[in-house]
Amino acid sequence: DVKVTQSSRYLVKRTGEKVFLECVQDMDHENMFWYRQDPGLGLRLIYFSYDVKMKEKGDIPEGYSVSREKKERFSLILESASTNQTSMYLCASSKRTGFYGYTFGSGTRLTVV
Amino acid sequence: TQLLEQSPQFLSIQEGENLTVYCNSSSVFSSLQWYRQEPGEGPVLLVTVVTGGEVKKLKRLTFQFGDARKDSSLHITAAQPGDTGLYLCAASRSNYQLIWGAGTKLIIKP
Repeated sequence: DVKVTQSSRYLVKRTGEKVFLECVQDMDHENMFWYRQDPGLGLRLIYFSYDVKMKEKGDIPEGYSVSREKKERFSLILESASTNQTSMYLCASSKRTGFYGYTFGSGTRLTVV
Repeated sequence: TQLLEQSPQFLSIQEGENLTVYCNSSSVFSSLQWYRQEPGEGPVLLVTVVTGGEVKKLKRLTFQFGDARKDSSLHITAAQPGDTGLYLCAASRSNYQLIWGAGTKLIIKP
C-alpha cells in the first residue's frame, strides 16, 4: 500500500525550540509539499520541492525552512518555534504534474507552548 | 489571485438525505479535484475531472465539472454517517501546485 509517512502524529514543543518534522514517501514521486491547516484558513502551502535538493517557497514560508537530500524524504524545520506555529502540518507528494492528485500523510498536530 | 470558493462552509443533515456542495471560481482550470478529509487524517483524493461538462460517479457520489471549467459540484445521494468529513476541492495552479478551497464540513447524523 503506497503511502506518505509523517514521523509523528502529535508533538508538543516549547517556544524557541528548533523543531524537525519528517516526511517519507514510497511512491517515487518527484514533488513533495508541506502545508499547514488551521480552522477557517484551509490548507496553506509552506514550501514545496520538485526535485532532490530543490525547494520553492510557498505562500507562508516565514519561520520555516526545508531540506530534501533524498527523493523520498522532505523535512520541515521550524527554526525557533513560536505559539503561532501551533497547527496541523500535512505533508503530501505527487508525480511530476499535480494532475494525478496528491497523496497526503496523516498529519502532525504540533502544539507550541 | 485565483480563488476557489466552496459552499456551504458547514452542512449537517440526517442519514438518508441528499446534498450538494459547490466549488466556484472566476478562473478557468484545466482540471479540478475533490478530496475528503476525516478528522485527524490527511485528505484523500476522490476524483479528478478534466473536461467541461464531465460527470463522474463514485458509488453514491456524483461529481460534475462545469461547462466553462470554472466550477464543480459534488452531489451525495442517500448520505450515510460514513460520508462525514471535510470535502475539499482543488484546481491546478501550475504544473506543480494546486490551489485549495477552504472546504465544506459535512456531518451526517444517524
